[in-house]
Amino acid sequence: QVRLVQSGAEVKKPGASVKVSCKAFGYNFTDYYIHWVRQAPGQGLEWMGRINSDRGGTHYALKFHGRVTMTRDTSMNVAYLELGSLRYDDTAVFYCARRKPGGPIDHWGQGTLVTVSS
Amino acid sequence: DIQMTQSPSTLSASVGDRVTITCRASQTVSTWLAWYQQKPGKAPKLLIYQASTLESGVPTRFSGSGYGTEFTLTISSLQPDDFATYYCQQYNSHTFGQGTKLEIK
Repeated sequence: QVRLVQSGAEVKKPGASVKVSCKAFGYNFTDYYIHWVRQAPGQGLEWMGRINSDRGGTHYALKFHGRVTMTRDTSMNVAYLELGSLRYDDTAVFYCARRKPGGPIDHWGQGTLVTVSS
Repeated sequence: DIQMTQSPSTLSASVGDRVTITCRASQTVSTWLAWYQQKPGKAPKLLIYQASTLESGVPTRFSGSGYGTEFTLTISSLQPDDFATYYCQQYNSHTFGQGTKLEIK
């Protein structure tokens, strides 16, 4: 059974960084890319970027360039999202999701709420 | 970046109604388009991919069509479980539409 299990909620101060993990179960981790999607409270879905779980190559949305880093550990089947220089409007649920190259995102993690508050 | 525009933003309908949601791309995405359903507090769920292919396990009352820049998601007979927010996503450069909230009339 395919599952993506994310780390728990975080509260961070403005200017800090946050690192969210996403552990994959039930499939060959390196066959799929991991994408990250943000959803601010009451708002829509916003694509942040993706990492090639096999080779580690990344592609980030322009909006997040310079603030976001996506990494993975193939020995543990875990992907990571790190977002720096946090602002109040970064408060959101962050989702990881898997996607086979050429196909759609087909499974999602449960989401991780990151709250930016002083 | 390819912009995705959904309409309407909100749709009020009744159980048994046939509803259609439209998604327009700012440039062609061929058939690289997916539709997702999201309920409050939950992750999105894949309904349709490649513009018109029904994901396994999704009820056949859901259907998708379109090519290039204009796409539709149709629910043939609304069920109580269908009231949710729907998003399109082009998976060329991965942008999402802004969402359509389907409400009970």
